[in-house]
Amino acid sequence: DTEVTQTPKHLVMGMTNKKSLKCEQHMGHRAMYWYKQKAKKPPELMFVYSYEKLSINESVPSRFSPECPNSSLLNLHLHALQPEDSALYLCASSLIPGGRAFHEQYFGPGTRLTVT
Amino acid sequence: AQTVTQSQPEMSVQEAETVTLSCTYDTSESNYYLFWYKQPPSRQMILVIRQEAYKQQNATENRFSVNFQKAAKSFSLKISDSQLGDTAMYFCAFAGNKLVFGAGTILRVKS
Repeated sequence: DTEVTQTPKHLVMGMTNKKSLKCEQHMGHRAMYWYKQKAKKPPELMFVYSYEKLSINESVPSRFSPECPNSSLLNLHLHALQPEDSALYLCASSLIPGGRAFHEQYFGPGTRLTVT
Repeated sequence: AQTVTQSQPEMSVQEAETVTLSCTYDTSESNYYLFWYKQPPSRQMILVIRQEAYKQQNATENRFSVNFQKAAKSFSLKISDSQLGDTAMYFCAFAGNKLVFGAGTILRVKS
């Protein structure tokens, strides 16, 4: 099973709302990632978790709060977002964290987020 | 810092023909991986092919093959017998100490 699942598929939220994105994988991967992707652009790395611990935060605003409750699950909590945060949010996972943490990532289908 | 350059923003090819997407990168690392990812209009990013820098042999996956020129820091993707389902955005990616994506090439396969 080489599947990364993400829920919800679509999310519309106001600037005062609090919502969460969920990502799950059951491949035994120990590195998980959040990316933000604008239309026709490459994904931009936001966060990396290695062995359930946050290892990389690419200077992401605090209105995005990641959480990794266990090795299979990754959440992204959203609060007080801005319209420019509207994008596709991709989750990914890979088998080997550490020096080769970015080796062969498997991506989920993404959550299309619209901030109104 | 590593950079990845895809110089072809858009390409088109007739069904059943062969097309080559170019990718160059810059790094001072000697041990790294290179990938091509495909993102169809449905948006799911799929790994197409990988190349390990220490391997001289070019990777091949069915109709997809790469031309890896380490000295020239070039990593092109060849798609043979193009199919309509190959229509997608293709990203070249470098994986050393972090994953760096190129800007992408939109490939349209025409019937």
